[in-house]
Amino acid sequence: EPEVTQTPSHQVTQMGQEVILRCVPISNHLYFYWYRQILGQKVEFLVSFYNNEISEKSEIFDDQFSVERPDGSNFTLKIRSTKLEDSAMYFCASSRAEANTEAFFGQGTRLTVV
Amino acid sequence: RKEVEQDPGPFNVPEGATVAFNCTYSNSASQSFFWYRQDCRKEPKLLMSVYSSGNEDGRFTAQLNRASQYISLLIRDSKLSDSATYLCVVKPPGGYNKLIFGAGTRLAVHP
Repeated sequence: EPEVTQTPSHQVTQMGQEVILRCVPISNHLYFYWYRQILGQKVEFLVSFYNNEISEKSEIFDDQFSVERPDGSNFTLKIRSTKLEDSAMYFCASSRAEANTEAFFGQGTRLTVV
Repeated sequence: RKEVEQDPGPFNVPEGATVAFNCTYSNSASQSFFWYRQDCRKEPKLLMSVYSSGNEDGRFTAQLNRASQYISLLIRDSKLSDSATYLCVVKPPGGYNKLIFGAGTRLAVHP
């Protein structure tokens, strides 16, 4: 069964450092997303990406965040200067088409900022 | 008002019990509705979509009431493996499949 894969599973970084979280979406999917979940809180939408550009982003997704699809398979989330409050589980997701189709989630990257 | 609101639980039930979860959403123009399941420190996984006519998948039944902006999930004959957090998820109007998650309702099924 195809799946979304994320690396690394756990990343520890110092405050102020840049981190890149990587994702390989399901191969025939066209829509890609990043969500985050702070420990004990709900899953929150960060950004959606289609046709090599951001299609929608939330208030959380400020100038410190960027996304990129550098090649045909990877989808990355970069946080330029991490803050303590960026510590969370980051989930990548992908889906085949826009409306009413299931979004498949990766297993997540746990980011710890110290 | 929160976009998607759920009772956080926990619901502690014995095996074999029937349990119901409720959810309300604030945007009346929301288009699609789902129940996801999340195990501890794992990714959300789709349990079922929710249709206006109601739908059933084995022991799970989902209902949608658009007039009341209310979604429900009924689990019959609970199993130990049903222990998880159940997330009510709504797709708002427009957007590119952006999903709005409720905070989840925790279910613990005990022997």
